[in-house]
Amino acid sequence: RKEVEQDPGPFNVPEGATVAFNCTYSNSASQSFFWYRQDCRKEPKLLMSVYSSGNEDGRFTAQLNRASQYISLLIRDSKLSDSATYLCVVNFQAGTALIFGKGTTLSVSS
Amino acid sequence: NAGVTQTPKFQVLKTGQSMTLQCAQDMNHNSMYWYRQDPGMGLRLIYYSASEGTTDKGEVPNGYNVSRLNKREFSLRLESAAPSQTSVYFCASSRLAQGGANVLTFGAGSRLTVL
Repeated sequence: RKEVEQDPGPFNVPEGATVAFNCTYSNSASQSFFWYRQDCRKEPKLLMSVYSSGNEDGRFTAQLNRASQYISLLIRDSKLSDSATYLCVVNFQAGTALIFGKGTTLSVSS
Repeated sequence: NAGVTQTPKFQVLKTGQSMTLQCAQDMNHNSMYWYRQDPGMGLRLIYYSASEGTTDKGEVPNGYNVSRLNKREFSLRLESAAPSQTSVYFCASSRLAQGGANVLTFGAGSRLTVL
């Protein structure tokens, strides 16, 4: 089983749609979790951290389920500008490097 | 602008040539990283440096060497380039966030082609 797995997509949705991405991780002792966003031919940028209680940032909601070892990202009211690749990132142990999933591609169309 | 600066942005090499990718950050971060990104493979860690004076291998270190020159700079060297090293290379640095997590800031990337 790969350490961090994501559905690669692509997810093709119309503007205004709600879309959800899931990510599973293999190490039950993982300590911290993130979603990064990567635009085509650009560097990844932090979208949001994922906290145990779940957290929201505008139209974006992140959830963590430690028992099932998955995290999710929900995007409401999708915009054209949301089109990008979303990377699930896990830190297995404090002070060690982050492990990236391969990413899920989202395409929002008008 | 503050952040992570990588050079060069583009490079074409012939098989067997050597080169060094430079990376510098001005955010006073302790940890620095080199990743490579290939289509369908995602980001894979080559080497990282948790602090000045230390370096550790990541997932794909073969064919690379690194130097943490000081707190700001972390270079990646290809001693004898191979076509399999054609990739986009990202340098990153990290700060500690809530709960001890490392939050990464990436450079803009270096696109390397080995012929």
